[in-house]
Amino acid sequence: KAGVTQTPRYLIKTRGQQVTLSCSPISGHRSVSWYQQTPGQGLQFLFEYFSETQRNKGNFPGRFSGRQFSNSRSEMNVSTLELGDSALYLCASSLGGGRTEAFFGQGTRLTVV
Amino acid sequence: KQEVTQIPAALSVPEGENLVLNCSFTDSAIYNLQWFRQDPGKGLTSLLLIQSSQREQTSGRLNASLDKSSGRSTLYIAASQPGDSATYLCAVQIANTDKLIFGTGTRLQVFP
Repeated sequence: KAGVTQTPRYLIKTRGQQVTLSCSPISGHRSVSWYQQTPGQGLQFLFEYFSETQRNKGNFPGRFSGRQFSNSRSEMNVSTLELGDSALYLCASSLGGGRTEAFFGQGTRLTVV
Repeated sequence: KQEVTQIPAALSVPEGENLVLNCSFTDSAIYNLQWFRQDPGKGLTSLLLIQSSQREQTSGRLNASLDKSSGRSTLYIAASQPGDSATYLCAVQIANTDKLIFGTGTRLQVFP
């Protein structure tokens, strides 16, 4: 059974550019959540999607956006990149509906220079 | 606002020791609590999931307990091995969502 797949694994971008990260959940999982991990702030919640609907959004600026497709794959986009956006971005997949185990991908390491 | 705290922040022990990692949370209205391990630069690996109605879960040398009323969970690792060296994170799932609130983690080093 394939796990959660995140692409790309590594990215280097310049300030002001935009970036799109992709997450393919475990087959059958309908819920996808995104988290940002930095040494200073730890793991912080970005968004949660279930059946193509954003159900929750964390306390991040509007430059951070996401979407989920009908096959449950999800993308997140960060526009006008800032140095502080450098982080490990992690995607979690679960069956959804609460009370279910979350499984994480290996993450995308984004470096903004 | 839910806050999750983990103590200690770091722990270094010799191989073979039994050890306890602590996690506390401020709001008892949770669906479940999940323990993860993270190796440097990698994603999170799920270790144990405890539903809010459960008191404990076991997997191999790992045992996790949950006391919702006091807002505490512990992860017990028996007979620690160097391969257990990693950062351990606890996370609570907020009721009516799939959102996880994470603690700051305990960095564990087990030396031979």
